[in-house]
Formats: sequence, structure tokens, C-alpha cells
Amino acid sequence: NAGVTQTPKFQVLKTGQSMTLQCAQDMNHNSMYWYRQDPGMGLRLIYYSASEGTTDKGEVPNGYNVSRLNKREFSLRLESAAPSQTSVYFCASSEYRTVNTEAFFGQGTRLTVV
Amino acid sequence: QQPVQSPQAVILREGEDAVINCSSSKALYSVHWYRQKHGEAPVFLMILLKGGEQKGHEKISASFNEKKQQSSLYLTASQLSYSGTYFCGTEIVSNFGNEKLTFGTGTRLTIIP
Repeated sequence: NAGVTQTPKFQVLKTGQSMTLQCAQDMNHNSMYWYRQDPGMGLRLIYYSASEGTTDKGEVPNGYNVSRLNKREFSLRLESAAPSQTSVYFCASSEYRTVNTEAFFGQGTRLTVV
Repeated sequence: QQPVQSPQAVILREGEDAVINCSSSKALYSVHWYRQKHGEAPVFLMILLKGGEQKGHEKISASFNEKKQQSSLYLTASQLSYSGTYFCGTEIVSNFGNEKLTFGTGTRLTIIP
């Protein structure tokens, strides 16, 4: 059972470089999320997608773009990486209207921007 | 807007009890609780729905006061395996009428023998 798969697990970028974090889930969930985790800040929502073709901004969307390619995949793109984007990124998925259902998380991507 | 958790950190001896609180300034649809071990992804503990229900999971239980927009997580007779960071997640209605799961800043729980 794969659940939620994120790639890559680790990445080092130079300031100004771009990259895309990939996320795929095999549980047929409608809702997918991208969070970033920084020390003392908890999990902060970057973007959210309730279904294929829809996306919504979270608390910290600046500097990021997302694409809900299909029901399985939700990618996060950094167009011009900055040191402030050094963080651990988690993708998660759940059923639409997560009543009585849990959010499943990927194993995270540790991104360092130098 | 992130829910507010308190305390930020707790150190307990094995067998002691702890309470972690979570509050929101917005009307909540539900509250989730997760635990994260160091270097791992958060793992689901339980969900509470509006209606003021209380749930239990082994020696970990939680309550949800809908009127106060508050939830509390109770850990009784703590075990070493309970160590980790606990997050509450809250669901509110977004611009599209869909719920977004937003997490608090976390409470780091350390259990010592």
C-alpha cells in the first residue's frame, strides 16, 4: 500500500533555481494539500485542492504555484527559490469533506535553498 | 488562520497525565489530532465533529467544545511511546465552500523514564 508518495525526499537548490515537488496518492481521494513545516511554526498550509482542476490558496502561498494534474497527482512548483523556502514540505490527501476520515501524509521533502 | 495550541512543550515522567489544548477564532466544522515522531510524517489519532463529542483511543482521548471553538487532548498514564509533537487540525469553510485542514503550531511532548 503506497498511500501518498512524494519525490524527491531531499533536494538542495541554489537561490533563483526552480523545481517541482511531485505528489501522488493511490487512495482515490478528492482533497490534496501541500504544507511546509518549519521549527516552531507547525504545519502551514501552502495550497489546497478539493478536486481535479480546482486549487485554493492556504496561509503561505507566495512564491509557490500548484497544479492538480489529475485526481492522483498534485505538484508544487518553486519558480525562483529563495533561502526563506528552506523547509520540510509535506503533501497530504483525504476524502472531500474530511468528516470521519483522516488526512494521510507523504514522507516529506527536505528542501535546502543556498 | 492557524489554530492556537497550548502549551508549546511538556515534559512528563512515565505514568503522568497531560492535557493539550487547541482553540480557534473561527467556527469549526471538526477537529483532528495527529502525532509526529522526529523525522517522520504526522500520523492520525482521531477526529471530533461539532456537537461536543468526546472520543477515546487507548489512553488518549479528546473533547470538542463547539461553542468555545476549543478542543483538548488528554493523555493518561503516559508511556515512552507517547513522545512526539502533537498537532491539532481544524476544518473551516474556504472560499469555494470546501473545508481546508489547517494545523496548529504543535505541542512537543517528552516522556522521561
